[in-house]
Amino acid sequence: DVKVTQSSRYLVKRTGEKVFLECVQDMDHENMFWYRQDPGLGLRLIYFSYDVKMKEKGDIPEGYSVSREKKERFSLILESASTNQTSMYLCASSPDRAGSGFTDTQYFGPGTRLTVL
Amino acid sequence: TQLLEQSPQFLSIQEGENLTVYCNSSSVFSSLQWYRQEPGEGPVLLVTVVTGGEVKKLKRLTFQFGDARKDSSLHITAAQPGDTGLYLCAGWGSGTYKYIFGTGTRLKVLA
Repeated sequence: DVKVTQSSRYLVKRTGEKVFLECVQDMDHENMFWYRQDPGLGLRLIYFSYDVKMKEKGDIPEGYSVSREKKERFSLILESASTNQTSMYLCASSPDRAGSGFTDTQYFGPGTRLTVL
Repeated sequence: TQLLEQSPQFLSIQEGENLTVYCNSSSVFSSLQWYRQEPGEGPVLLVTVVTGGEVKKLKRLTFQFGDARKDSSLHITAAQPGDTGLYLCAGWGSGTYKYIFGTGTRLKVLA
């Protein structure tokens, strides 16, 4: 089975802190994604990556950056955490390039619930 | 902008009842996925539908992809409390690298 793990299930940080959220997948997937999920707003894409050292902005990249130094690991960085970044953060990976075929599925990690005080 | 609208948004039913959740778009999708997400967890894939008109069954869950590949439905027969969760449809937008999620249907099945 595909496994996507996230470094923390729950995290509490203070405003202004630098926050690292780590995601690791064990199936050699090319694509990795970071989303945030908020009540009433659904899942919103922050950043995604199709290859090592490659990144693309999603719908809401402001206040975030990412790093993909190795294929299996995709990190989300909050440079200076703010209270409006309190949210559920979900990492996902997928095995194929977008729209390329029948296995477009994204596999999700368990999520990190981040609270910024 | 490609959107996936789900209805209903919320559903609370008694154990044993049947229900249908709809996922609609004005755009064509090459495939659609259905996920279930439980509180505090990430979404878990239930099924992928690919061919227009396709019907897939997963125990008491029946998934259908519209003939024109613009819509999909999820039917649950004899719902159980374990079916409680957020149901999401999703698919890749055509011509983009964007994976689009539906607006979600939050289901609660009461014992």
